Amino acid sequence: DAMVIQNPRYQVTQFGKPVTLSCSQTLNHNVMYWYQQKSSQAPKLLFHYYDKDFNNEADTPDNFQSRRPNTSFCFLDIRSPGLGDAAMYLCATSRLRSNPGQGSSFYNEQFFGPGTRLTVL
Amino acid sequence: AQKITQTQPGMFVQEKEAVTLDCTYDTSDQSYGLFWYKQPSSGEMIFLIYQGSYDEQNATEGRYSLNFQKARKSANLVISASQLGDSAMYFCAAAINDMRFGAGTRLTVKP
Repeated sequence: DAMVIQNPRYQVTQFGKPVTLSCSQTLNHNVMYWYQQKSSQAPKLLFHYYDKDFNNEADTPDNFQSRRPNTSFCFLDIRSPGLGDAAMYLCATSRLRSNPGQGSSFYNEQFFGPGTRLTVL
Repeated sequence: AQKITQTQPGMFVQEKEAVTLDCTYDTSDQSYGLFWYKQPSSGEMIFLIYQGSYDEQNATEGRYSLNFQKARKSANLVISASQLGDSAMYFCAAAINDMRFGAGTRLTVKP
């Protein structure tokens, strides 16, 4: 089955120790997203890739970086995790949709992975 | 940037009854997509229903329907015949240049 896979499902790291979360997809979608979701809050978009074109949200801290080496994989690097970075990290994929005759496009529905829950000690 | 508002932090509904979850959005763009997602306690985000800004008909998917009122910029989710398994967080989202989520509504279905 086509799907979005995130590894690991649970990650424990120490304060200040770099950590990398991974996401892979078999849907062949051209857009991949990383979200941070803290307890009882909405997912917050960190950044997304349209193909290799990287789009960073203005309020995403510099501590968060991302890599997309190919269509299938995307990585989230947290360079120096703080206690406030403990959260669920969700990866999602989608395809760009064009509105016929309207000359515009926007993103189609997103398919989410199961998430990685990050604990910072 | 677009803003998504869900004014109901929590909702209760009796099993087998219908419930409406509210969502309003704020954008000056004419072309966009509106989505509803369900997030059970297990954490996965499940896509429920989609409405395009140029779609004239309200979207329906099984027991889910979207009451789209473009002039009011509202996209309310209607769940008919609620089931116990519908208890979850529900997020409204709008996609233009990126995807923005509302704060969510926690729905509890009572037996």
